[in-house]
Amino acid sequence: EVQLLESGGGLVQPGGSLRLSCVDSGFTFSSHTMTWVRQAPGKGLEWVSGISASGGNTYYADSVKGRFTISRDNSKNTLYVQMNSLRAEDTAVYYCAKDRGSAFPKWGMDVWGQGTTVTVSS
Amino acid sequence: QSALTQPPSASGSPGQSVTISCTGTSSDVGSYNYVSWYQLHPGKAPKLMIYEVSQRPSGVPDRFSGSKSGNTASLTVSGLQAEDEADYYCSSYAGSNNLVFGTGTKVTVL
Repeated sequence: EVQLLESGGGLVQPGGSLRLSCVDSGFTFSSHTMTWVRQAPGKGLEWVSGISASGGNTYYADSVKGRFTISRDNSKNTLYVQMNSLRAEDTAVYYCAKDRGSAFPKWGMDVWGQGTTVTVSS
Repeated sequence: QSALTQPPSASGSPGQSVTISCTGTSSDVGSYNYVSWYQLHPGKAPKLMIYEVSQRPSGVPDRFSGSKSGNTASLTVSGLQAEDEADYYCSSYAGSNNLVFGTGTKVTVL
């Protein structure tokens, strides 16, 4: 069954903003680090951002630092990423994923969503 | 942080074994036992196949195994089956709250 469901993708102009959401239908959302991983067309996977189980610690790849903000609402089992100042190179399928740990996402991401597509183009 | 290096492709006949390498540096693969492997089928959610270098999540067949030597991690698929045809990516913790993925390998079952 689908446990993580992303939404919010779409077409946006360069410099624009978009907010992605990821709802977890499981029962352990608040115990695990959550992450965003993206895959640009024809390219490999790229880690984008992560947030600890409590939400107290956030982590970003250099490529998005200062432009993306990750957050979570454990009462709603929902992960977010606010993406500002979008660039053409941000065009990708964005996956949310649940890490096996509760701090930095280094323990292996064992639950993934199907992804949502973000296209940055004029 | 540069991507980990994987061969673009690998192949084998059904029943054979294939090994995919994932080469990093002493700052990532060589320093930490936080190497994971993911399987990607087109249009499907990625799947965790190996974590912490050699640990298999429940439900992953024991045909999949992982190892590490120095700065290079490896994923071996034994007894290849048609459904193993997919893209495979490694990832490694790289210190300083950084995670790096590999360049990806397309496995073809001949």
